Amino acid sequence: KAGVTQTPRYLIKTRGQQVTLSCSPISGHRSVSWYQQTPGQGLQFLFEYFSETQRNKGNFPGRFSGRQFSNSRSEMNVSTLELGDSALYLCASSDGLAPSSYEQYFGPGTRLTVT
Amino acid sequence: KQEVTQIPAALSVPEGENLVLNCSFTDSAIYNLQWFRQDPGKGLTSLLLIQSSQREQTSGRLNASLDKSSGRSTLYIAASQPGDSATYLCAVSPPGGGNKLTFGTGTQLKVEL
Repeated sequence: KAGVTQTPRYLIKTRGQQVTLSCSPISGHRSVSWYQQTPGQGLQFLFEYFSETQRNKGNFPGRFSGRQFSNSRSEMNVSTLELGDSALYLCASSDGLAPSSYEQYFGPGTRLTVT
Repeated sequence: KQEVTQIPAALSVPEGENLVLNCSFTDSAIYNLQWFRQDPGKGLTSLLLIQSSQREQTSGRLNASLDKSSGRSTLYIAASQPGDSATYLCAVSPPGGGNKLTFGTGTQLKVEL
């Protein structure tokens, strides 16, 4: 089975721009979660989508949004980029069904640099 | 608010040594606990998942234990190898399950020849 894939792997943007990141989960998985990793804050949960619906949300401003398509692929969007948005953005997939299936599998991440 | 702490923050050991990494969480009402490793600049690799009803899980040279009542988990690595060098992260999921993981601060492990 192919693992979780994320595109692009690296991205450089300017303050004020917007960016879209993409994640393709493991085949058959219906849950996609997004995390932000920075040296100062560590790994923080952004949101989770399950069957095209946002199921959970972390404490991030509304500039961070996401969506999921019928094939379970997910995108996250960050508008009006700030320098502090520079981070590794990780996507994780799981089949999302209780109880034993919440094990998450992570992609390689997208390294976003905002200048 | 759930907080997860890992001690030590960094660890350097000679090859062949057995070692223990610690993970503490403040709210014992968790659904499960997962251990990951992360190589520099890479994503996370799942190592072990322990359900809240379980006490331990084993995979090869790795053994993870969970004491929910005291809010602690340990990851035991036997006969460490240089290839084990990485950052190890623990993460807990909220009551009732779900994929909103709260991650620990990580332990950076270096295994030297």
